[in-house]
Amino acid sequence: AQSVAQPEDQVNVAEGNPLTVKCTYSVSGNPYLFWYVQYPNRGLQFLLKYITGDNLVKGSYGFEAEFNKSQTSFHLKKPSALVSDSALYFCAVRDRTGTASKLSFGTGTRLQVTL
Amino acid sequence: ETGVTQTPRHLVMGMTNKKSLKCEQHLGHNAMYWYKQSAKKPLELMFVYSLEERVENNSVPSRFSPECPNSSHLFLHLHTLQPEDSALYLCASSQDRGLWEQFFGPGTRLTVL
Repeated sequence: AQSVAQPEDQVNVAEGNPLTVKCTYSVSGNPYLFWYVQYPNRGLQFLLKYITGDNLVKGSYGFEAEFNKSQTSFHLKKPSALVSDSALYFCAVRDRTGTASKLSFGTGTRLQVTL
Repeated sequence: ETGVTQTPRHLVMGMTNKKSLKCEQHLGHNAMYWYKQSAKKPLELMFVYSLEERVENNSVPSRFSPECPNSSHLFLHLHTLQPEDSALYLCASSQDRGLWEQFFGPGTRLTVL
């Protein structure tokens, strides 16, 4: 079975500081990994994905994530946080044998960026 | 309209009511999904349709009944719900095969009294 763990319910960061939202995964074989963001009263928006190749993936709004196979992690990062980045962030994983429907999400991490 | 739309955005219903949630995607995708989002829990995949055929039903109670009349529309029919069914119901779509991410609608906030 595949799963994702987001160990932090909430991350607090001051604007301008770097941010990290943690994600670890469990899957048979090599994973496909995704990050989504959810703003209040909105659905999930795709941020970025890791399929293969370079371990550092760049996505929307200046976010990036680093795939670390030995640590089974895919942490989301941004060099300089903005107040507008405050939202709920979800990590998701699927294995390489299934279809697009076989996507497992974490419980989400709320990012709070303050002035 | 573009993307994935859902109606209504908010719904309050009694336990004996029958209502339906509607989802429409304008992305040319061939797979559609219903998820349930509850606080502090992972997104729960409820149903998956690929090419208008149901391919997954994750042990969802029969009081939830999906319908996919074509590749652009997805419905979730609700009847005799319980208060614990109150949640945000999200619709998503994607290409079924390959490495395509899912695109989500804004959700329907359902409250069962």
